[in-house]
Amino acid sequence: GQSLEQPSEVTAVEGAIVQINCTYQTSGFYGLSWYQQHDGGAPTFLSYNALDGLEETGRFSSFLSRSDSYGYLLLQELQMKDSASYFCALGGRNQGGKLIFGQGTELSVKP
Amino acid sequence: NAGVMQNPRHLVRRRGQEARLRCSPMKGHSHVYWYRQLPEEGLKFMVYLQKENIIDESGMPKERFSAEFPKEGPSILRIQQVVRGDSAAYFCASSPPGQAGRIQYFGAGTRLSVL
Repeated sequence: GQSLEQPSEVTAVEGAIVQINCTYQTSGFYGLSWYQQHDGGAPTFLSYNALDGLEETGRFSSFLSRSDSYGYLLLQELQMKDSASYFCALGGRNQGGKLIFGQGTELSVKP
Repeated sequence: NAGVMQNPRHLVRRRGQEARLRCSPMKGHSHVYWYRQLPEEGLKFMVYLQKENIIDESGMPKERFSAEFPKEGPSILRIQQVVRGDSAAYFCASSPPGQAGRIQYFGAGTRLSVL
C-alpha cells in the first residue's frame, strides 16, 4: 500500500524559515504535491515535484528525493497568514488518478 | 473562471435520511474526485469519475454510498440511510485532462452533520 508521514505540529515565528518533512512508502507514483488548508476550508494546491530536486514558487519551495522516499516543503519569510495545515500527497501510477494524503502538519506562526 | 463549486456548504440530516452532495468542476475539467475528511485528519479518497464513468471507487464504502457524474449537470455523491459516523467534511476536486494524479483543485466542501 501507500502511506505518508508528516509531523503533526510545527511552530515558528514570523519572518523565519520552516521546513515540513514528508516521508512516504509506495511502489510507484508520478510525483509528490503539497496542499495548504486553512481552518478546514478548501485545500489549495501549493507545489508539485515530478522530478528529484527543488521547485521554487515565490516564498514556497518543495523538494523531492525519490531514492530517499522523502520530500519537504520550505516556507520562507513566514507570515501570520501562513498558519494553516499542510498536506503532502502522492499521485499517479499505482494510485491511478487519485491523491493519497498524509495526515497533515499544523503550522502555527507566532509574532 | 469559477472554481470548483460545491453545494450545499452545510447539510444536516437525521439518521436514516438521504444526503445528496453536488459538485460542479472547473470549466474544462473532465476529472472529478471526492474525498472525505474527519476533524484533525487528512483527506481520504473516495471515488474518481469522468463523464458518465466511474474510474476508481476503491475508497467508497460498498453500502449506502454511490456517486455519478452525468453527461449533463454536476457530479453527485449520494449517501443513503445516513449514520452518525458519516458526519464529516466532503470535498470535491477536479483536474484538467492530462493532469489526473498531479494537480487537483478543490471546492469549499460540504459539512455533513448527522443528528
